[in-house]
Amino acid sequence: AQSVAQPEDQVNVAEGNPLTVKCTYSVSGNPYLFWYVQYPNRGLQFLLKYITGDNLVKGSYGFEAEFNKSQTSFHLKKPSALVSDSALYFCAVRQNQAGTALIFGKGTTLSVSS
Amino acid sequence: NAGVMQNPRHLVRRRGQEARLRCSPMKGHSHVYWYRQLPEEGLKFMVYLQKENIIDESGMPKERFSAEFPKEGPSILRIQQVVRGDSAAYFCASSPGGAQPQHFGDGTRLSIL
Repeated sequence: AQSVAQPEDQVNVAEGNPLTVKCTYSVSGNPYLFWYVQYPNRGLQFLLKYITGDNLVKGSYGFEAEFNKSQTSFHLKKPSALVSDSALYFCAVRQNQAGTALIFGKGTTLSVSS
Repeated sequence: NAGVMQNPRHLVRRRGQEARLRCSPMKGHSHVYWYRQLPEEGLKFMVYLQKENIIDESGMPKERFSAEFPKEGPSILRIQQVVRGDSAAYFCASSPGGAQPQHFGDGTRLSIL
């Protein structure tokens, strides 16, 4: 069965410090991997995706993620956190078949303090 | 280019009533997905549609829930005879297909009295 695990409910970092939000996945075949961010009372905003190619993927707002096939991980990273990065972050996976639905992790709340 | 539009943003119903949630996909997107988000949980897939066709409804409850995406007009998620457990945020997403990411609307927050 396909699944996504985000082992941390909350991540706290100080502004200016690097941040990592962890994600591991389980899917048959080669996965398509995504990160989304959700602000209060809003929908999910797409940050970045991994389909194929370089393991380090760069996305919106200075975020990047590293695909590690052997560890089945896709951790989200940013070199220097901003207070405005505080939000709920979701990792998602789907099979590499056209039109299949996303499987989401439970989400990780990122809190950046000034 | 307008994003995915969902309405209403908030919907209050009494137990036993019907709820209709609407979703207009982004221009050029023919794939529509509905997800449900319960408090303290991630999003759960409900149904995937293309124009006039239901492709995958494996996440949809067997009773009371239905979805459509007509040739003209928005996609509709319909919940009949609502119960308290239907209270949730319902999100619609659209994509042009292939490996392209899904783009989400701001959701409809359904409250059942």
